[in-house]
Amino acid sequence: GQSLEQPSEVTAVEGAIVQINCTYQTSGFYGLSWYQQHDGGAPTFLSYNALDGLEETGRFSSFLSRSDSYGYLLLQELQMKDSASYFCAVKAGNTPLVFGKGTRLSVIA
Amino acid sequence: DVKVTQSSRYLVKRTGEKVFLECVQDMDHENMFWYRQDPGLGLRLIYFSYDVKMKEKGDIPEGYSVSREKKERFSLILESASTNQTSMYLCASSTGTPLHFGNGTRLTVT
Repeated sequence: GQSLEQPSEVTAVEGAIVQINCTYQTSGFYGLSWYQQHDGGAPTFLSYNALDGLEETGRFSSFLSRSDSYGYLLLQELQMKDSASYFCAVKAGNTPLVFGKGTRLSVIA
Repeated sequence: DVKVTQSSRYLVKRTGEKVFLECVQDMDHENMFWYRQDPGLGLRLIYFSYDVKMKEKGDIPEGYSVSREKKERFSLILESASTNQTSMYLCASSTGTPLHFGNGTRLTVT
């Protein structure tokens, strides 16, 4: 089977940088995705890493190390609107995405 | 933009009722999914479909069934609703990556 581990909660200060880690166990790994979900809203896609390295999209970056079965989401210049839950999800074989349990990020002033 | 529409935002049903949750997508996606979201448990896959009239069990299919008669519509059916099926239900569609989610149906079974 597949399993993912990510912290359940993270708190960070407005303007700071925060990193949300995700470790996974799976066979036939294709890639790691990140989704954001605000309270009461739908999960929305942030990023997808299939190869090792860092992918940057504005204030958000995502990193993958296939050899370590590890990735992270990096949020820079935190804003209050970044308060949300963040899910990592692994794609393996022909199976649908498997999601982690989510990390609730609270941005404080 | 892809639009995934779930027919109800909130639904209250009684134990033992048959419940239909409807999901429609407008982007001709082959793949459609039903997830259930509970606090602390993340998103868990109930059923998925990679083509019309095709369906596959996900990780927690017990107590549920699905129907996909048309490409754009994927229905989740609770044959006999129980209180432990009180949850947020999320439908999604895709052609690969990423998944596009609907806004969810919060179902309460009393």
